[in-house]
Amino acid sequence: ETGVTQTPRHLVMGMTNKKSLKCEQHLGHNAMYWYKQSAKKPLELMFVYSLEERVENNSVPSRFSPECPNSSHLFLHLHTLQPEDSALYLCASSQGPGTGSYEQYFGPGTRLTVT
Amino acid sequence: EDQVTQSPEALRLQEGESSSLNCSYTVSGLRGLFWYRQDPGKGPEFLFTLYSAGEEKEKERLKATLTKKESFLHITAPKPEDSATYLCAVRVFSGGYNKLIFGAGTRLAVHP
Repeated sequence: ETGVTQTPRHLVMGMTNKKSLKCEQHLGHNAMYWYKQSAKKPLELMFVYSLEERVENNSVPSRFSPECPNSSHLFLHLHTLQPEDSALYLCASSQGPGTGSYEQYFGPGTRLTVT
Repeated sequence: EDQVTQSPEALRLQEGESSSLNCSYTVSGLRGLFWYRQDPGKGPEFLFTLYSAGEEKEKERLKATLTKKESFLHITAPKPEDSATYLCAVRVFSGGYNKLIFGAGTRLAVHP
């Protein structure tokens, strides 16, 4: 595996379900990100982890719960979602702040549909 | 408030018809401007980083330029495979760390 991978690629869940999205990066980076992408809207930053510590929770509802067990893995735990949460969820990684190189590399995304 | 605006929202070109995409920004302290390409159903793919006014970067048919208030992505003699959404993002320092603020993108369609 190379780059940033995400599973599952597609997910349909009911409003009362609990599910998790997984992201793994194979680039040796130490910062990871969750973004939400809705149709015709800019990418919205949800969470940032640097060296496995969360440094940003961008006013995201508590029904989204991130977890970063190590610098290569990132999870997004979902529970009691709303239909407006349907979107493409993207994971990205980069070298951490202060190291100069800051290009973020993205995974393919998980297309989430909440019914 | 930090803001990134891309125009046009959508652009249709004939193969070989050169054009430019615009990204204008208002930020308090630019720390880099990034261009990405996104194909349908995929994540954004990194293209360029620009750091200072006057800087230019090229890759195949694409050339990115930067001024103090905007960036252009010039597409020379485009091919149908250049069809994608092109995203612009600026890096700012906010809340004690660096983060990217994205524009809504320009959807480019190149027809044979």
